[in-house]
Amino acid sequence: SQQGEEDPQALSIQEGENATMNCSYKTSINNLQWYRQNSGRGLVHLILIRSNEREKHSGRLRVTLDTSKKSSSLLITASRAADTASYFCATAPSGNTGKLIFGQGTTLQVKP
Amino acid sequence: GAGVSQSPSNKVTEKGKDVELRCDPISGHTALYWYRQSLGQGLEFLIYFQGNSAPDKSGLPSDRFSAERTGGSVSTLTIQRTQQEDSAVYLCASSLASTRTDTQYFGPGTRLTVL
Repeated sequence: SQQGEEDPQALSIQEGENATMNCSYKTSINNLQWYRQNSGRGLVHLILIRSNEREKHSGRLRVTLDTSKKSSSLLITASRAADTASYFCATAPSGNTGKLIFGQGTTLQVKP
Repeated sequence: GAGVSQSPSNKVTEKGKDVELRCDPISGHTALYWYRQSLGQGLEFLIYFQGNSAPDKSGLPSDRFSAERTGGSVSTLTIQRTQQEDSAVYLCASSLASTRTDTQYFGPGTRLTVL
């Protein structure tokens, strides 16, 4: 079964606004990753945050991780129409050597 | 360099037939993963290969599903006696190794439709 739960399931914002997506998980992890998927096909890796990290930045992306609450958030600042996609969090469970457990995803629509 | 490639991109088959899906990982990547994504859902782990080690098959949903990785490179996912619930996008990914911090690079997927 899927470990991650994401909310909201769908998000619609205007270009220029910030978008925040949340992810919760159930077991201890080695790291948590965020991926983007366009048009239901291949996924693109966005950012990885290790279990001993609390915040990470990459361009317009900011990811936080709270291992005590078993939750993470992805913030996209100054959104663009091209950011329209589905976003998935994926966890690498502790003790596991590589398998990722994906959440159900958040569908983001950025209106121009 | 070239990314992960998968073929075919689309496959339509009749219930009860066998299908083979192919994945070509990035050259030099020792770890290869198969996932399945049903419509509007997240990815479901199926199987992964790491070098010459025995594969982790813990995600395969039934014994109708099997996968091979020949020569440590190309992988084939085989579904026997397909059922309508097998309809999904099958995604392959590879990584340099299967350490816990390695990024997985995904192929474009194969969309399987079982009629």
